[in-house]
Amino acid sequence: NAGVTQTPKFQVLKTGQSMTLQCAQDMNHEYMSWYRQDPGMGLRLIHYSVGAGITDQGEVPNGYNVSRSTTEDFPLRLLSAAPSQTSVYFCASSPDSGVSLTDTQYFGPGTRLTVL
Amino acid sequence: AQSVAQPEDQVNVAEGNPLTVKCTYSVSGNPYLFWYVQYPNRGLQFLLKYITGDNLVKGSYGFEAEFNKSQTSFHLKKPSALVSDSALYFCAVRVILTGGGNKLTFGTGTQLKVEL
Repeated sequence: NAGVTQTPKFQVLKTGQSMTLQCAQDMNHEYMSWYRQDPGMGLRLIHYSVGAGITDQGEVPNGYNVSRSTTEDFPLRLLSAAPSQTSVYFCASSPDSGVSLTDTQYFGPGTRLTVL
Repeated sequence: AQSVAQPEDQVNVAEGNPLTVKCTYSVSGNPYLFWYVQYPNRGLQFLLKYITGDNLVKGSYGFEAEFNKSQTSFHLKKPSALVSDSALYFCAVRVILTGGGNKLTFGTGTQLKVEL
């Protein structure tokens, strides 16, 4: 198993540009989520999905869009990049459908995004 | 609000000495607590979790954590530190979201430095 994979590893954007961060998992996990990591703030939830076709907002959803057409993939779209979106983005997955609190979430390697 | 706190930004320890990374929690109901480690420019790796039962939880790479309900703490420990343990450590609690999903709420992280 490759686990949770993310592409690209690094990206530099100009303000106003759009892009998609890719996330895929090969563990047949129902639950997937996106976090951003900023210095001194830990990780904050952007969006999550409890299964294919179902998505919902997390703590900091503004400026981001997601979709979940398959169990494996959960892309994160930046609609119009802003410097405040400079961050490290992590995708995570876990076996549960979102109701269970005991399953472990597994994280991808991250995408380091800089918006100029 | 359900949260975890890591009171130390950095912990320094000599190789071979025991290490402790502190975490306290504030949770209504049963706490589901996790420890993750992040090596430089890498994603988060799961170390261990407390769900219920034995207060001493054993995890990966020789780490263990002690759950203390009266002190609302979940400290990470290792009997003998290695230089390779130097990394950023996150404590987290799993919480339910109103939309039916759940998320990990992270502490701000503790940088562990193990020196020869």
